[in-house]
Order: sequence, then structure tokens, then C-alpha cells
Amino acid sequence: QKEVEQDPGPLSVPEGAIVSLNCTYSNSAFQYFMWYRQYSRKGPELLMYTYSSGNKEDGRFTAQVDKSSKYISLFIRDSQPSDSATYLCAMSVYNTDKLIFGTGTRLQVFP
Amino acid sequence: DGGITQSPKYLFRKEGQNVTLSCEQNLNHDAMYWYRQDPGQGLRLIYYSQIVNDFQKGDIAEGYSVSREKKESFPLTVTSAQKNPTAFYLCASSDPPSNQPQHFGDGTRLSIL
Repeated sequence: QKEVEQDPGPLSVPEGAIVSLNCTYSNSAFQYFMWYRQYSRKGPELLMYTYSSGNKEDGRFTAQVDKSSKYISLFIRDSQPSDSATYLCAMSVYNTDKLIFGTGTRLQVFP
Repeated sequence: DGGITQSPKYLFRKEGQNVTLSCEQNLNHDAMYWYRQDPGQGLRLIYYSQIVNDFQKGDIAEGYSVSREKKESFPLTVTSAQKNPTAFYLCASSDPPSNQPQHFGDGTRLSIL
């Protein structure tokens, strides 16, 4: 079993929809959680960075962490065609430099 | 404008050849990382360095080598011992303390001729 599981998609939604992207994990020691967006042939770009449980909002993006269920989510409101990309979750244990990545979910937002 | 520069964008390797991928950062970050990205497998850590003149193996270091002679530079050599080098290679850096998010370059795509 992988430490971090992420549905590869593709997830196809109409413009304006609310998108929910999710990752589950098995290591209860993970405390730091990140979401990256990766466009084709580009490097990942940091979208959200959260510590421990709870919600964090930044514009149209909301990151949610539920440590009791070992489940994290990224919500995108009012999705735009420019949001079409692969979204990677990543997480780490306290006081380590290693990030563990999910395999990424490909999102397509059509006009 | 601060960032991470990877070069070249595309690289081709012949059989038995070593090739070196460049990674330069002007973010003044201490830590630097190399990842390999294959379809459906996410990012896998090859090597990382927390400080100049020191580096550690990641999960898939076999067939690769690195050096860290300068804070801003962390080149990766893909040796002939790496039998399946075709992949997208990503360099990243981060600020101490640990658990700070990593920032990525735009990658080098390596293919076999």
C-alpha cells in the first residue's frame, strides 16, 4: 500500500463548478500538508501549505485536513479553464526534509 | 526575480553516455532536491542536500550522482548505470527549518536516443 493515495482522474468539470480533490494517507505521523498545481511540461507550483488539522482558504482555493480520517482535500470554487492542470498532494513528518507525494489528479475544466 | 532554473529543457542520451542536468537557484535556500517524475508514479526523490558539500541519497539514487560545491547549484549526473533514464527530472529548493514547502524548477525531460 502506498503511503499517499490519490485518484489519477481525469476529472472533467464545466466552468464555474466546485471541484473537490482528495488524498488519503496511511502514516499518522504526517503533520505538514501541501497542494501543488502542475501544468503540462512545467514544474509543480505551490498552492497551499497547511499544518495539522483544519481549513485554510486562499481566494478560490480551500485546503482541508482531517487527521482523524487521514484525509486531505483541496476545493476549487468557480473553476476556470485555466485551472486545468494536474494537482499533487504532498506531506511530511515533523523535522524531516522529505516530502511524500501523491501521484496527482488531472483536472480538466471545459468552457 | 527569484527562482530555480533548470537546463536544458530537453536532453537526449546515447547508450553508455553520462549526462549532467543543471539546477541553479537564486532564492538563497540551503536545501536542494532532485526528483524523477514518471507517468502514474508521482515524484520520487533521487538525492537531496541540506548544506554545501553534503548530500544524501533519496529513494532511487542508483545510477545517479550529484555534487554541491556552491549553495546556488546542485547538478545531477545521470550515469550509464541508470538503465531506464527516460523521465522528467525536477529540481527543488527550500528554506530551513525543515518542513518548509519546496519550490520547483520547470524540469528537464531526458530521453534515450
